[in-house]
Amino acid sequence: DSGVTQTPKHLITATGQRVTLRCSPRSGDLSVYWYQQSLDQGLQFLIQYYNGEERAKGNILERFSAQQFPDLHSELNLSSLELGDSALYFCASSVGWGMLAGEGLHEQFFGPGTRLTVL
Amino acid sequence: GNSVTQMEGPVTLSEEAFLTINCTYTATGYPSLFWYVQYPGEGLQLLLKATKADDKGSNKGFEATYRKETTSFHLEKGSVQVSDSAVYFCALPAGNNRKLIWGLGTSLAVNP
Repeated sequence: DSGVTQTPKHLITATGQRVTLRCSPRSGDLSVYWYQQSLDQGLQFLIQYYNGEERAKGNILERFSAQQFPDLHSELNLSSLELGDSALYFCASSVGWGMLAGEGLHEQFFGPGTRLTVL
Repeated sequence: GNSVTQMEGPVTLSEEAFLTINCTYTATGYPSLFWYVQYPGEGLQLLLKATKADDKGSNKGFEATYRKETTSFHLEKGSVQVSDSAVYFCALPAGNNRKLIWGLGTSLAVNP
């Protein structure tokens, strides 16, 4: 158990709909990362938040958005869903924002994922 | 920018066989290098890392040596077990150090 929790575990919805995925980081971790994992694209970094602020952005679509709340949990909002959005969505957390030169990279702890199926 | 290339799977081995999963990288400078593992139905977890050239990371019988001459960080294990069946990811920081660059993952299946 990594200490990172994600809800829901599974989500089935229809095209055009909007869903919200939730992540609670490990106790004490300030950074949250979101990833999408699909069979054809592999593991894709979406976005990172540190202590409520966006720190890094990856291949995140404009239809997707995220935020980190004062209690450090994070939500990933996916809207106007398409069939191709079906994937596993992982949240990870780390103690720092951990990507600064000289600071060293902090280990990321991954949650169990949310499996999204768009029909 | 930085990039990583990982050997394609799937890799299928018998128990107690020797494992090598190749990972090569291109990078500015000498960034830290990582191997993460994803067991079936779980999220990824850090397996081992090396923070500078010639470092050897090791964990759970797995080893990887940071070789700057060949820009490689191959994952090895002398005797695999069924419980090692998983997907293995090589990763390194992007050039701006703001995110990790991930390999596509190599699926390993170990048969008894």
